[in-house]
Amino acid sequence: DAKTTQPPSMDCAEGRAANLPCNHSTISGNEYVYWYRQIHSQGPQYIIHGLKNNETNEMASLIITEDRKSSTLILPHATLRDTAVYYCIVRVARGGATNKLIFGTGTLLAVQP
Amino acid sequence: ETGVTQTPRHLVMGMTNKKSLKCEQHLGHNAMYWYKQSAKKPLELMFVYNFKEQTENNSVPSRFSPECPNSSHLFLHLHTLQPEDSALYLCASSQDPSIRGTSGGDTQYFGPGTRLTVL
Repeated sequence: DAKTTQPPSMDCAEGRAANLPCNHSTISGNEYVYWYRQIHSQGPQYIIHGLKNNETNEMASLIITEDRKSSTLILPHATLRDTAVYYCIVRVARGGATNKLIFGTGTLLAVQP
Repeated sequence: ETGVTQTPRHLVMGMTNKKSLKCEQHLGHNAMYWYKQSAKKPLELMFVYNFKEQTENNSVPSRFSPECPNSSHLFLHLHTLQPEDSALYLCASSQDPSIRGTSGGDTQYFGPGTRLTVL
């Protein structure tokens, strides 16, 4: 199972772009990169996912390197409400019968006013 | 988000009590999940149900008993819990996880969680 490595914490100024890195050097060719975030004591919130190509939605952009060994989640204009723990997850699938999300410790993003 | 709801949001129980946590999803999904998040620890998967059938039990003690009467509802029955079982219990749902395609379309969506305290 591919594992991910993220910095434990990052700061970002309000209104600036937040760039959250993730290393997943052992990712397999059919594994997706998922990003979730968890605001204190709430349920994780899905942000975005991708396989090879860069992806963008209303919340964020996901940049995946060509070799797929790392990715960056970009919040273009961070607000105080974006303060949360951000999880980068490589999805594990076993025989199509289960859909495990293995959460690590993530990156605590603190958006500063 | 109102796609996945959980009740109660907070629960305090004694070690001899029996209680149940409820999860309901309004997303038309076929798979549902229970996760546990203890203080300062990553989320841990407990159970997976797909089309009402349990497909994963991650070595969870028998004092936790899941029930999935239909694809929209999931329960976690609790009895004779220990103080170390105090945690945030999270429910999630997704489409059929056997659907892969090119979109990773079995994204899991989480409820707000139940904060459980065992005295």
